[in-house]
Amino acid sequence: NAGVTQTPKFRVLKTGQSMTLLCAQDMNHEYMYWYRQDPGMGLRLIHYSVGEGTTAKGEVPDGYNVSRLKKQNFLLGLESAAPSQTSVYFCASRKPGTSFNEQFFGPGTRLTVL
Amino acid sequence: EDKVVQSPLSLVVHEGDTVTLNCSYEVTNFRSLLWYKQEKKAPTFLFMLTSSGIEKKSGRLSSILDKKELFSILNITATQTGDSAIYLCAVTSGSRLTFGEGTQLTVNP
Repeated sequence: NAGVTQTPKFRVLKTGQSMTLLCAQDMNHEYMYWYRQDPGMGLRLIHYSVGEGTTAKGEVPDGYNVSRLKKQNFLLGLESAAPSQTSVYFCASRKPGTSFNEQFFGPGTRLTVL
Repeated sequence: EDKVVQSPLSLVVHEGDTVTLNCSYEVTNFRSLLWYKQEKKAPTFLFMLTSSGIEKKSGRLSSILDKKELFSILNITATQTGDSAIYLCAVTSGSRLTFGEGTQLTVNP
């Protein structure tokens, strides 16, 4: 059981480049979340999904797109990266009907946009 | 808009001191409040509080919620250098979790 994995672990982009962050979970969880964490701040919700084929905006969705084509994967896309998107990105998942104390986090992706 | 505010934002203490971290919130449809510890990686769950006045305790850490005054505190007694971390408070409403900014705790030997 790998839990929640994120790919890549680190990435450096130039302004204007695009990339996709992959979150995968093998726990058959319906709910998946993408957060970003900037220095001195807590985690902020970017987008989330309550099931395959469904996504919804969180607190800071601008500049990001997501897709949930398969239940186990939740992709976060940056179409045209900006320095303001330099951050640590965490993915998380949980089963419906469970509380957030049973939310599993991935190890994070550290993204730097130059 | 849901809001979670933590104080202080940073705290430096000596080993053996007792610390109190604060979390206040304004959310619609409150369900629970969670505390996490974060050490340069993903947050690790500490406590979940749903009822006022009932203390949750784990070793030297304890926490309590006041739903009338909309705040929670996290106490750490006899601090150790291994307690150095960011402590995050988060509140659930609906299917979302809203985090505070965190308190950076540094425990010096």
